[in-house]
Amino acid sequence: GAGVSQSPRYKVAKRGQDVALRCDPISGHVSLFWYQQALGQGPEFLTYFQNEAQLDKSGLPSDRFFAERPEGSVSTLKIQRTQQEDSAVYLCASSLDRAGTGSPFAIGYGYTFGSGTRLTVV
Amino acid sequence: GQNIDQPTEMTATEGAIVQINCTYQTSGFNGLFWYQQHAGEAPTFLSYNVLDGLEEKGRFSSFLSRSKGYSYLLLKELQMKDSASYLCAVRNKAAGNKLTFGGGTRVLVKP
Repeated sequence: GAGVSQSPRYKVAKRGQDVALRCDPISGHVSLFWYQQALGQGPEFLTYFQNEAQLDKSGLPSDRFFAERPEGSVSTLKIQRTQQEDSAVYLCASSLDRAGTGSPFAIGYGYTFGSGTRLTVV
Repeated sequence: GQNIDQPTEMTATEGAIVQINCTYQTSGFNGLFWYQQHAGEAPTFLSYNVLDGLEEKGRFSSFLSRSKGYSYLLLKELQMKDSASYLCAVRNKAAGNKLTFGGGTRVLVKP
């Protein structure tokens, strides 16, 4: 599609339930990022994929959070045993370029964000 | 780590000019981005600075001083639709070129 697509748009989960959030990046985009955005805050980095390889997962808040991108396109963020503090908007962004290579002039403007999944844990 | 600071909220009048400041501390600086985010929507790209100076795009301009760790976003001829959050984000080469965001500045445009 023309943009980054995320589903579901809204998710209400009972505490302790497992959830899976999906991100469809722009076709051909190499890099994919997940961010968590609490209400009234800026997005916080969770994890980064280059194709199917997860190169950075330093932002995942606990081992209940798991992300995968098995074929280098669609990615899934899974949260196990959800807790109330997991309530947030989860944003996905993709980029054509391989993040981390070379001159800043070789890496363009190409971070495109999806509209996010708003997760509410009750 | 990285520290990115921007004001929480600003109010301005339709037709006026507003300047949103952003200060940052980072190693491996590899560009600064400004995004606009309306409530419940995706952040959308506004501007990108990697060299010192002013970048102008229509009603929006962005300035960068790398030595001072400082940027601003200037919004001119404010329109009601400009009411949104504005996010400053720094790209860090040492951290895989991921973006680190400030907390966002909520701008309210009044008639």
